[in-house]
Amino acid sequence: QKEVEQNSGPLSVPEGAIASLNCTYSDRGSQSFFWYRQYSGKSPELIMFIYSNGDKEDGRFTAQLNKASQYVSLLIRDSQPSDSATYLCAVNRNTPLVFGKGTRLSVIA
Amino acid sequence: GAGVSQTPSNKVTEKGKYVELRCDPISGHTALYWYRQSLGQGPEFLIYFQGTGAADDSGLPNDRFFAVRPEGSVSTLKIQRTERGDSAVYLCASGEGLGGEQYFGPGTRLTVT
Repeated sequence: QKEVEQNSGPLSVPEGAIASLNCTYSDRGSQSFFWYRQYSGKSPELIMFIYSNGDKEDGRFTAQLNKASQYVSLLIRDSQPSDSATYLCAVNRNTPLVFGKGTRLSVIA
Repeated sequence: GAGVSQTPSNKVTEKGKYVELRCDPISGHTALYWYRQSLGQGPEFLIYFQGTGAADDSGLPNDRFFAVRPEGSVSTLKIQRTERGDSAVYLCASGEGLGGEQYFGPGTRLTVT
């Protein structure tokens, strides 16, 4: 059974700190990995995607992928109160996305 | 450019009624997906179109659910004999192909009373 696991949180970090969000997946053949941000009452917004092992940086966001450990993470540097949202991890292997339940992040000013 | 659009944004219907939900994908995107999201859960896959054909409908929960994309652009999700358990946010996403990035519309919140 294909599963994506995330800690539901809430994860609370002070403003300016690094927020670290983690995700594990069960399908070893997964090829594409995505992070979506979802504000309350809104739809998911794609913020990062990664296809290869290692790190990928985009502004304050860094996605990290370790296929051997079946682990993907999202780091948010210099966290801002506007980063407070639910972060959804999603994976696929040429199939529609399989989502985790999301981690709720709260950035405290 | 314009993103994915969905109509209506909210739909309240009585148990047993028929509803149609519409999705207009990003121009040029050949792949279109329907997901359903319940409170506190991640989106769950329903059906995927590549062009006009349903490439994968394995996520449709039962035969009350059906979707079409007759011209390879706009798609309609149809739910017959609605049940209270169908209440959720129905999300549409589009992309350039299977395995690539998917971009979501604002969703339709369906409430079955």
